[in-house]
Amino acid sequence: RKEVEQDPGPFNVPEGATVAFNCTYSNSASQSFFWYRQDCRKEPKLLMSVYSSGNEDGRFTAQLNRASQYISLLIRDSKLSDSATYLCVVNPPGSARQLTFGSGTQLTVLP
Amino acid sequence: DGGITQSPKYLFRKEGQNVTLSCEQNLNHDAMYWYRQDPGQGLRLIYYSQIVNDFQKGDIAEGYSVSREKKESFPLTVTSAQKNPTAFYLCASSQASGRDNEQFFGPGTRLTVL
Repeated sequence: RKEVEQDPGPFNVPEGATVAFNCTYSNSASQSFFWYRQDCRKEPKLLMSVYSSGNEDGRFTAQLNRASQYISLLIRDSKLSDSATYLCVVNPPGSARQLTFGSGTQLTVLP
Repeated sequence: DGGITQSPKYLFRKEGQNVTLSCEQNLNHDAMYWYRQDPGQGLRLIYYSQIVNDFQKGDIAEGYSVSREKKESFPLTVTSAQKNPTAFYLCASSQASGRDNEQFFGPGTRLTVL
């Protein structure tokens, strides 16, 4: 089983739609969780950290379910500029400051 | 502007040649990392360094070497022993302490072996 698993997509949604991605992780003792965004042929950039209580940043909401070992990202009112690959990232225990990256979910927002 | 720079952006190499990828940061970060990304796959850790003059192997270190003589610099050498070196190479850095361990990435180097 992969340490971090994501549905690769692609997700093709119309502008204004709400879309949700899920990610599962294998190590129940993992400490920190993140969503990164990666545009085509560019470097990943931090979109948001994921906190136990859930957190929101504008149109983006991240949630963590430790019991089921999954993380979700909800994007409301999708914009064309949201088209990218979204990477689920986990900091496993005992790994110092290393991160484990999922292979990403590709989103295309259509006009 | 603070950030991470990588050079070159594109690199072509003949089989059997070693090549060194540059990574420089002016964020005053202690920790630096090298990842490899292949199409449709996640980032895989090659090497990381938490402090100057110290570095550790990641998940796929075979065929690669690094050095960390200065805090700002963490060059990666892709040796001829690396069997499939064509990939997108990303360098990152992070604070040694802090709550979230956010890693900041450079723009990457695309290496193609001819």
